[in-house]
Amino acid sequence: EAAVTQSPRNKVTVTGGNVTLSCRQTNSHNYMYWYRQDTGHGLRLIHYSYGAGNLQIGDVPDGYKATRTTQEDFFLLLELASPSQTSLYFCASSDSSGNTLYFGEGSRLIVV
Amino acid sequence: GEKVEQHESTLSVREGDSAVINCTYTDTASSYFPWYKQEAGKSLHFVIDIRSNVDRKQSQRLTVLLDKKAKRFSLHITATQPEDSAIYFCAASRGSFNKLTFGAGTRLAVCP
Repeated sequence: EAAVTQSPRNKVTVTGGNVTLSCRQTNSHNYMYWYRQDTGHGLRLIHYSYGAGNLQIGDVPDGYKATRTTQEDFFLLLELASPSQTSLYFCASSDSSGNTLYFGEGSRLIVV
Repeated sequence: GEKVEQHESTLSVREGDSAVINCTYTDTASSYFPWYKQEAGKSLHFVIDIRSNVDRKQSQRLTVLLDKKAKRFSLHITATQPEDSAIYFCAASRGSFNKLTFGAGTRLAVCP
């Protein structure tokens, strides 16, 4: 079973604040993803990566940066957080086929 | 880009009855259609998928049907049990190495 660990699990920040969400996977997967989950929208892809140093833009990238420092670690950065970024964020990983996703437990972010 | 629509936002069935969740997609090149389950307060996990080279796939009480002409696929759950209660997400992609687009989710409640 793939193991994907996210931190922090819960975060409250103020508008304009800096937030970094971390994700680590320990199954040697090449692909990693950041999604946000909002009621009525399902999961929307923010950024994804094929491997260390690689970054691909997803469907809702505005206001987010990401960095893949190693095969295991993928970070999502909100440099000027806004209330519209209040959401539940999921990290996921998959093998080289890019098919089955293994999700982390989620990080709930509230921007006040 | 691809758009995936889940027709039922909520679905309530009696324990032991069948449940059907329907999804449509827009990209005729989509060829991979997985389903994910999210139990209350938990992360998502993969349940079943179907590829475009078949029109039906069954795994125990779960069956996925694919109608490529109508660009529609559905998840059928027979003999529902309380532990089937969850949010179910359908998704679509062009296959390996292509990103998944998720539907908004269907909240299934199985009532005793």
